[in-house]
Amino acid sequence: QVHLVQSGAEVKKPGASVKVSCKISGYTLVELSIHWVRQAPEKGLEWIGGFDPEHGETIYAQKFQGRVTMPEDTSTDTAYMELSSLRSEDTAVYFCAVSPPINLPTWFDPWGLGTLVTVSS
Amino acid sequence: QSVLTQPPSVSAAPGQKVTISCSGSSSNIGNNYVSWYQQLPGTAPKLLIYDNNKRPSGIPDRFSGSKSGTSATLGITGLLTGDEADYYCGTWDKSLSAYVFGSGTKVTVL
Repeated sequence: QVHLVQSGAEVKKPGASVKVSCKISGYTLVELSIHWVRQAPEKGLEWIGGFDPEHGETIYAQKFQGRVTMPEDTSTDTAYMELSSLRSEDTAVYFCAVSPPINLPTWFDPWGLGTLVTVSS
Repeated sequence: QSVLTQPPSVSAAPGQKVTISCSGSSSNIGNNYVSWYQQLPGTAPKLLIYDNNKRPSGIPDRFSGSKSGTSATLGITGLLTGDEADYYCGTWDKSLSAYVFGSGTKVTVL
């Protein structure tokens, strides 16, 4: 059974960066494909990016390219999502989630509980 | 705007049935598997249906999924007050090279 534990809430100023962590247990990180999804207040779900095991690379939604990275630390089975040049529109709950480790994402299960990132001056 | 269109809300009395539609195109639903998620207030999304019509372990058979052409449908029978939540469809979009979610549907049990 995979279990995901995310880091705590963050408050950042516009222009700053944030790094959210997602600690995996029950499996090792190399066995999984981790993705990140965000949800702005009272809005829907938005995919940010994640690992594509078919091509062995991390893929990002075009909207976030150049501003997001998703490093992984296999020694601690921890995945990260770092978003830079933050603006108020980035205020959201950020979720990590597991996708089947065989190809492009078709579904996500399980999900972390989410990390609230607030961008405010 | 989402590339997958869902009705903003649906409602029915306890014990009744609701269906939620998810309309897309050939670049997404038409050529990829669809999944459905339930998001109870203040919680993380939970996978309800994957690969168009499969239920993960622990999901009751009151929840069902289907796909036809460029549209998918989630059905919920025997509505319970605990089913009040937001429901999202999702799939890969080849043109956008991105995973896309529907706009979300709020289910209200009257």
